[in-house]
Amino acid sequence: RKEVEQDPGPFNVPEGATVAFNCTYSNSASQSFFWYRQDCRKEPKLLMSVYSSGNEDGRFTAQLNRASQYISLLIRDSKLSDSATYLCVVNWKTSYDKVIFGPGTSLSVIP
Amino acid sequence: DAGVIQSPRHEVTEMGQEVTLRCKPISGHNSLFWYRQTMMRGLELLIYFNNNVPIDDSGMPEDRFSAKMPNASFSTLKIQPSEPRDSAVYFCASVDYNEQFFGPGTRLTVL
Repeated sequence: RKEVEQDPGPFNVPEGATVAFNCTYSNSASQSFFWYRQDCRKEPKLLMSVYSSGNEDGRFTAQLNRASQYISLLIRDSKLSDSATYLCVVNWKTSYDKVIFGPGTSLSVIP
Repeated sequence: DAGVIQSPRHEVTEMGQEVTLRCKPISGHNSLFWYRQTMMRGLELLIYFNNNVPIDDSGMPEDRFSAKMPNASFSTLKIQPSEPRDSAVYFCASVDYNEQFFGPGTRLTVL
């Protein structure tokens, strides 16, 4: 089993739709969780951190379920500019930081 | 701050040639990561430095790859000899409070 897994998509949704992505991780000792966004032919950029209590940033909501070892990202009222690949990132500490990026989920928002 | 700087942005070379990729992290960031991204394998961590010391190089594919960080403001990733399967986008990222700031990447093509 891969350490971090995501549905690769693509997710094709109309403008204004709500879309949700899930990400599962295998290491129960994982400590920090993030969603990154990567536009085509660009570098990944941090979208938001994921906190245990869940957190919201405008149209974006992130949730963490430690018991089931998954995180989610919900995008409401999708915009054309939301079209990108969304990467789930999991971090844990042993004697050093271990960072694993998921393979990414591709989103296309259609007019 | 100019962000993470990588050079060259594009590199086309022939199989067997030596390739050197360069990275200047954001000033004050203590950790630096090198990644490789391909369509098939996604974003793979190659090596991670903390305070200029290599901490985790388990992702370095083979002896043809080497990385150095002689000081806090400069790192190199060298491939010698290069092979067509090394063709990918190579990113470096520096870290501040768990957020990774990626450079624009070097797109490497080995013919």
